[in-house]
Amino acid sequence: RKEVEQDPGPFNVPEGATVAFNCTYSNSASQSFFWYRQDCRKEPKLLMSVYSSGNEDGRFTAQLNRASQYISLLIRDSKLSDSATYLCVVNRGNSGNTPLVFGKGTRLSVIA
Amino acid sequence: EPEVTQTPSHQVTQMGQEVILRCVPISNHLYFYWYRQILGQKVEFLVSFYNNEISEKSEIFDDQFSVERPDGSNFTLKIRSTKLEDSAMYFCASHPRGRGTDTQYFGPGTRLTVL
Repeated sequence: RKEVEQDPGPFNVPEGATVAFNCTYSNSASQSFFWYRQDCRKEPKLLMSVYSSGNEDGRFTAQLNRASQYISLLIRDSKLSDSATYLCVVNRGNSGNTPLVFGKGTRLSVIA
Repeated sequence: EPEVTQTPSHQVTQMGQEVILRCVPISNHLYFYWYRQILGQKVEFLVSFYNNEISEKSEIFDDQFSVERPDGSNFTLKIRSTKLEDSAMYFCASHPRGRGTDTQYFGPGTRLTVL
């Protein structure tokens, strides 16, 4: 089983749509969870951290279900500028040097 | 806002040659990483570095790879004898403290092309 698994997409949605991405992870010892955004041939950039209680940042809402080892990202009112690849990322532990483990990403295209 | 910088942005080399990729992490950060991303694939961890030594390395990080922090600002990745399959984007990352919840900040990457 892959460490972090995502639907690769692409998701093609019209502007203003709501779109949801899901991710599962295999390592139950994972402590920290993130969504990163990656534009074509650019570096990953942190979109938001994901907490057990769920968290929201503007149009973006992230949820974590530790029991199911499942993470989600909801984007409301999609903008053209949201077109990118969304990377589900987990940290193997909670110590200082724990590397990040990336999913392969889900591609989103928002169409006018 | 402080950022991680990397040079060069693009490096083309012949198979068997040595390359050195350079990174300047954010100045008050203590933990440093190299990741790579082969075109069309996921970002993969190579190595982490703290207190002037390697903390962890992946299976990819074999004897052909080495890292160094030669002074207080630079963090380098050396590939001794490049192979075609080393062609990838190489990202440097850093984060400030000892908590796994801290954000890792990524540099813009170096695109390595091995011919």
